[in-house]
Amino acid sequence: DAGITQSPRHKVTETGTPVTLRCHQTENHRYMYWYRQDPGHGLRLIHYSYGVKDTDKGEVSDGYSVSRSKTEDFLLTLESATSSQTSVYFCAISERTEAFFGQGTRLTVV
Amino acid sequence: DQQVKQNSPSLSVQEGRISILNCDYTNSMFDYFLWYKKYPAEGPTFLISISSIKDKNEDGRFTVFLNKSAKHLSLHIVPSQPGDSAVYFCAASGNFGNEKLTFGTGTRLTIIP
Repeated sequence: DAGITQSPRHKVTETGTPVTLRCHQTENHRYMYWYRQDPGHGLRLIHYSYGVKDTDKGEVSDGYSVSRSKTEDFLLTLESATSSQTSVYFCAISERTEAFFGQGTRLTVV
Repeated sequence: DQQVKQNSPSLSVQEGRISILNCDYTNSMFDYFLWYKKYPAEGPTFLISISSIKDKNEDGRFTVFLNKSAKHLSLHIVPSQPGDSAVYFCAASGNFGNEKLTFGTGTRLTIIP
């Protein structure tokens, strides 16, 4: 398995609270991504990074922000969690072509 | 606007027979295509890919076919095995894989023993 660790693996939080998910890699890959998986929608890109401090929005970025201060860490923050952000979140890394995924974080907003 | 479409949410196939999963795309800038397999409670894992300079790529029991004029690709699994039961995602990228991946909605494949 590629060296990708997501934390936490599971989280339950209340509406309106901030939440940060962490993705850590040991592969020194340049690109890092955050996806969410929802029934009927597949994997949708939230934000991605193509280098330290270089990030861009994906197709479902509203309500999310990211930061990448080191090559190995990519943080996803929900500024004020809503029930529509209940989902499974996957981090992925790539250097050129194939992306490798983490195990996922199941987030429930109540 | 869904740029990568998997129109069959589910597919059931008898063990030993061929499984064919289909994927269509609309963005003509896509030139690199991938298939991922996902088991419950795990992250997707890369299965096979194809560049637009080819129309077929084979890896063991898995073959991907690309029809550029129809903007269609398919994944063939022969013979199908019970361990192949999973959700399969088609993905596409531009610049020969150097751009971000766009995924389809997935097809749940069930292999019947």
